[in-house]
Amino acid sequence: AQSVTQLGSHVSVSEGALVLLRCNYSSSVPPYLFWYVQYPNQGLQLLLKYTSAATLVKGINGFEAEFKKSETSFHLTKPSAHMSDAAEYFCAVIGASSASKIIFGSGTRLSIRP
Amino acid sequence: ETGVTQSPTHLIKTRGQQVTLRCSSQSGHNTVSWYQQALGQGPQFIFQYYREEENGRGNFPPRFSGLQFPNYSSELNVNALELDDSALYLCASSLTSGRAGNEQFFGPGTRLTVL
Repeated sequence: AQSVTQLGSHVSVSEGALVLLRCNYSSSVPPYLFWYVQYPNQGLQLLLKYTSAATLVKGINGFEAEFKKSETSFHLTKPSAHMSDAAEYFCAVIGASSASKIIFGSGTRLSIRP
Repeated sequence: ETGVTQSPTHLIKTRGQQVTLRCSSQSGHNTVSWYQQALGQGPQFIFQYYREEENGRGNFPPRFSGLQFPNYSSELNVNALELDDSALYLCASSLTSGRAGNEQFFGPGTRLTVL
């Protein structure tokens, strides 16, 4: 079965500091991996996705993630945090069934200190 | 291009009642997936509909049921509501052509509270 584990339910960084949100996946087949962001009282927005092309994936709002097969990781980074980045972030993997259901991690809440 | 919309925004029900949530897919999309997001957790897959037929189901009891209409809009029905059904229900639409990596576009969700 495929799954993702997000390390740290809450991360707090200062404005302008590096953002690093950790995600490890488990998959018996090459996975499709995603990062979604959820702002308060809103749905999910896709930040970026990995579909077996380049291992370094660039997304919206300055975020990027690197697929590392040897570490089974897909960590999300942003060089300089902005106040508007405060939100809940979810790592996700596509399941193996034909339904293409997304399997989400438990989420990491990102807070930005002024 | 119209995004995914859901109605109602909020809903309050009591235990044992039945509820219907609605979702309009993004234009051109033929697949709808429903997710339940309990407070403080990641979304959990309920089921998916592709061209009006159920195309996969998560670990949810039969009292969770759905429909997809010819215009690809969808309904989620929950019977015999329980307190644990209180959650944000998310609908996502996609254009499925057999490729698992197709992006799913999410609506804003319906917040259901069961008292």
